[in-house]
Amino acid sequence: AQSVTQLGSHVSVSEGALVLLRCNYSSSVPPYLFWYVQYPNQGLQLLLKYTSAATLVKGINGFEAEFKKSETSFHLTKPSAHMSDAAEYFCAVSDSGGSNYKLTFGKGTLLTVNP
Amino acid sequence: EAQVTQNPRYLITVTGKKLTVTCSQNMNHEYMSWYRQDPGLGLRQIYYSMNVEVTDKGDVPEGYKVSRKEKRNFPLILESPSPNQTSLYFCASSYRTGLNTEAFFGQGTRLTVV
Repeated sequence: AQSVTQLGSHVSVSEGALVLLRCNYSSSVPPYLFWYVQYPNQGLQLLLKYTSAATLVKGINGFEAEFKKSETSFHLTKPSAHMSDAAEYFCAVSDSGGSNYKLTFGKGTLLTVNP
Repeated sequence: EAQVTQNPRYLITVTGKKLTVTCSQNMNHEYMSWYRQDPGLGLRQIYYSMNVEVTDKGDVPEGYKVSRKEKRNFPLILESPSPNQTSLYFCASSYRTGLNTEAFFGQGTRLTVV
């Protein structure tokens, strides 16, 4: 069984500050890992994904994440927060070898950006 | 434009009145699934379908039905809705999640059962 833990249901940063959203996963097989963003009243949009290639993954809007197998982590970072980054962020894991290609999501982290 | 379309976006209904939420994708994806999103719980999978006429339960299937008669459509059926099914629902599709593809999500359907 796979699971995802997102540390911090709410993160608040100032505009221009570093954004760090934490994600730890559990998986019995090599995982595929994803970060999705959800803006108010919208669906989920893929930010970036890790599928066993480079461990440092760059995504859209200046976000990146690093896969660390030893720490079972896939934290999301952005060097400088912008007001438009305010949204809810979900980390998800997929079983690379399973028969149900479902995404198991974390509970989400709401990012607030203060002016 | 590649997209997953859900209808309706908002729905208020009464307990016990059957309803269907439609989902359609135009990307020829084999895999489709339904999720519900509840505050503090993230998204949980309700049902999924690997291809036409192939469906299976996800993590929270009780009170829901699905069908997959055509590749592009994957409706979610609530035969007798109850207030605990008040939630935000998302349909998603992909070729196969994980193999250098991504899951595309619809805009969501906010359902209220009174």
